[in-house]
Amino acid sequence: SQTIHQWPATLVQPVGSPLSLECTVEGTSNPNLYWYRQAAGRGLQLLFYSVGIGQISSEVPQNLSASRPQDRQFILSSKKLLLSDSGFYLCAWSRGESQPQHFGDGTRLSIL
Amino acid sequence: GESVGLHLPTLSVQEGDNSIINCAYSNSASDYFIWYKQESGKGPQFIIDIRSNMDKRQGQRVTVLLNKTVKHLSLQIAATQPGDSAVYFCAENFGGSQGNLIFGKGTKLSVKP
Repeated sequence: SQTIHQWPATLVQPVGSPLSLECTVEGTSNPNLYWYRQAAGRGLQLLFYSVGIGQISSEVPQNLSASRPQDRQFILSSKKLLLSDSGFYLCAWSRGESQPQHFGDGTRLSIL
Repeated sequence: GESVGLHLPTLSVQEGDNSIINCAYSNSASDYFIWYKQESGKGPQFIIDIRSNMDKRQGQRVTVLLNKTVKHLSLQIAATQPGDSAVYFCAENFGGSQGNLIFGKGTKLSVKP
């Protein structure tokens, strides 16, 4: 069966510090991968998606970037965090069009 | 902006009753819809999906109804249990191999014992 792992579960970072959140998927190959941000009590905002190694599409302009160095690895990064980057970050995978996305348990990021 | 929205932000039901959570979508080209359940501090969990060539699909204690005429989606939960308490999201996909989804804002379901 397929599993998706995100870490860390929680993270507290100072403003201006760098960020690296990692997501890995097991049990499938060539998945579509996604990064979302969820504000408290709100829906999910798609940040990035990837249909293959090295292929990254950005949905919204922001202070973050994403990379996919391996087929089942998706990384969310920032060189300098802003207060507005606080939130709940979720990684997901799917097999493609008209297929459900399956989510990890997220990273709660707090910027001080 | 989002094309998927929910009629009710909160829903409170008695344990054992049936729950109905509604969702409206605005993109008539959407051909795939999903319901997710999200418990506090966790990622959304897939519940059930439906394609636009169907108007009803049943799972274990859940039923999704799709009315393409009025662009309406609903999730019915039979014999609601305390463990069903969560936020429920609908999502739509209007094609593309990337499988991108648009999510609604969510409905919080509270089950009273």
